[in-house]
Amino acid sequence: GQQLNQSPQSMFIQEGEDVSMNCTSSSIFNTWLWYKQDPGEGPVLLIALYKAGELTSNGRLTAQFGITRKDSFLNISASIPSDVGIYFCAGADLTGRNYGQNFVFGPGTRLSVLP
Amino acid sequence: NAGVTQTPKFQVLKTGQSMTLQCAQDMNHEYMSWYRQDPGMGLRLIHYSVGAGITDQGEVPNGYNVSRSTTEDFPLRLLSAAPSQTSVYFCASSYRGGKLFFGSGTQLSVL
Repeated sequence: GQQLNQSPQSMFIQEGEDVSMNCTSSSIFNTWLWYKQDPGEGPVLLIALYKAGELTSNGRLTAQFGITRKDSFLNISASIPSDVGIYFCAGADLTGRNYGQNFVFGPGTRLSVLP
Repeated sequence: NAGVTQTPKFQVLKTGQSMTLQCAQDMNHEYMSWYRQDPGMGLRLIHYSVGAGITDQGEVPNGYNVSRSTTEDFPLRLLSAAPSQTSVYFCASSYRGGKLFFGSGTQLSVL
């Protein structure tokens, strides 16, 4: 099946630093989603992007839908300890009735924040 | 709203046993799905449903059955558990694509 690549796989940063991570695909998507997963919990939606070039913010988080439609980026500004977790990207081609089978998830970026 | 509710939270099975993972949502979402999450891999789709009475296979359907008799419920059945089915299982729902909402997961171990 399709695969998404996320980089970096993991990162350790100091509290207060900014964070950047990205997600790339060999396929074109018309929707990009970013999720955060805390230990023992399900992924929680952070940001949804629907248009190439779109830049959307959610508090200290900003995500962008790449112009090529094959990538997306997530930035976190001024990191805090509760930002710790795994961040997943998902690409989707939401056309037709069978949209359900078209979500593809990346393997995740594990973020650790050092006090 | 409770959102997406999954039970049980943890389960240990012996090889060959069967069981059902429960999933319910109270958001009147048409779309529901089951994913499995394994270390170092993204979430992989097992089965999904676009409405009551309609189900279809995802990327990794073998060894699992689903049914959708109501809009709210979407149980996942393991017919004869195998060690390869040791994983964390997530149920998710969506109104009409786009924003998937996940349950808190079921951690399953098959010995």
